Amino acid sequence: QKEVEQNSGPLSVPEGAIASLNCTYSDRVSQSFFWYRQYSGKSPELIMSIYSNGDKEDGRFTAQLNKASQYVSLLIRDSQPSDSATYLCAVHGSGNTGKLIFGQGTTLQVKP
Amino acid sequence: ETGVTQTPRHLVMGMTNKKSLKCEQHLGHNAMYWYKQSAKKPLELMFVYSLEERVENNSVPSRFSPECPNSSHLFLHLHTLQPEDSALYLCASSQGPDIRSYEQYFGPGTRLTVT
Repeated sequence: QKEVEQNSGPLSVPEGAIASLNCTYSDRVSQSFFWYRQYSGKSPELIMSIYSNGDKEDGRFTAQLNKASQYVSLLIRDSQPSDSATYLCAVHGSGNTGKLIFGQGTTLQVKP
Repeated sequence: ETGVTQTPRHLVMGMTNKKSLKCEQHLGHNAMYWYKQSAKKPLELMFVYSLEERVENNSVPSRFSPECPNSSHLFLHLHTLQPEDSALYLCASSQGPDIRSYEQYFGPGTRLTVT
């Protein structure tokens, strides 16, 4: 079983719709969760961090965490073509080395 | 300079060459990381340095040799690489070690091609 799992996609949504990206993780002691956006040919860019159960909103982005279900998601409201990218879920488990485990990423396509 | 910088941005090297990748962070962070990103594969953590001490080495072949002379600089020395080592090499940094300081910020990467 992979430590962090994401559907590779592509996930295709029309412009203006809500895009929902999902991630599951296997380490129950994980405490910190991150979403990165990576445009083709570029490096990952941190867009959201979440540490507690529930929702965290930042502009058009909402991260949702459910530790009991070992599930974290990212919602993008009013999706724009510029949101088309690969979204990486990353999880920090136990220990203090700062090591993050990344999923393989979900490719999002927003069609005008 | 701001954020995390990496040089060179592109590198083509033969299997018998020796080269080095450089990373510099301007964020005042305490931890630095090397990752490898190959097509269709998740980011692979290679090395972690915290306060200039190597704290993680993910079974990386010895042809990759990291060096962290201070908390702002990180190098990856390359020698006798194989074609399968061709990938995007990413450097990242984080404040660490507090639980809420594990946010990692990435440099632009070095696109390495081994011929």
